[in-house]
Amino acid sequence: DADVTQTPRNRITKTGKRIMLECSQTKGHDRMYWYRQDPGLGLRLIYYSFDVKDINKGEISDGYSVSRQAQAKFSLSLESAIPNQTALYFCATSDFNGGGFTGELFFGEGSRLTVL
Amino acid sequence: TQLLEQSPQFLSIQEGENLTVYCNSSSVFSSLQWYRQEPGEGPVLLVTVVTGGEVKKLKRLTFQFGDARKDSSLHITAAQPGDTGLYLCAGVAPRSNYQLIWGAGTKLIIKP
Repeated sequence: DADVTQTPRNRITKTGKRIMLECSQTKGHDRMYWYRQDPGLGLRLIYYSFDVKDINKGEISDGYSVSRQAQAKFSLSLESAIPNQTALYFCATSDFNGGGFTGELFFGEGSRLTVL
Repeated sequence: TQLLEQSPQFLSIQEGENLTVYCNSSSVFSSLQWYRQEPGEGPVLLVTVVTGGEVKKLKRLTFQFGDARKDSSLHITAAQPGDTGLYLCAGVAPRSNYQLIWGAGTKLIIKP
């Protein structure tokens, strides 16, 4: 089984619908992230969480919300999906190495979302 | 705003050829990571370089961090079809404990 599991892997929805993408991890890491990947734009950070009580906005948080239900679970919600939120979404985890060094990110397999 | 320019964006070459991918910035990074992503999967870390001028080798892949820690390169010798994928560089901003600055990626195709 994968260390970082995302569900669903693929989802097609309509404009205005509420969508939740879920992420669970077995790595025991405190830090979890949600990224969005678009062709030619690389990975852009949506939200990140350093522990259950710590949630922070990334560079493109508008239109998204998150919930850290437990150390192992971090979900991303689109309250009212719009077509330009069509993208590949990744959840990732990391350990904290201290000294300003982020350390390795461990990614899930991605959730492909299409908003019609 | 720190930016990381990655080039080329796309490269298609024959098996056995050599290639270099570049990651450049006007800003200094504490460290820089290289990831490879295959279709249907998330990125996987290949290497992290930390010290200016550092060179790391991973079989046929050679990674270098610039002396000023503003740029990095990935050189592949005698490319194989298994090297096909999306290569991403990511820099760690100084005095940051979370922020990775990502390049846009280089899509590499190695033809048999």
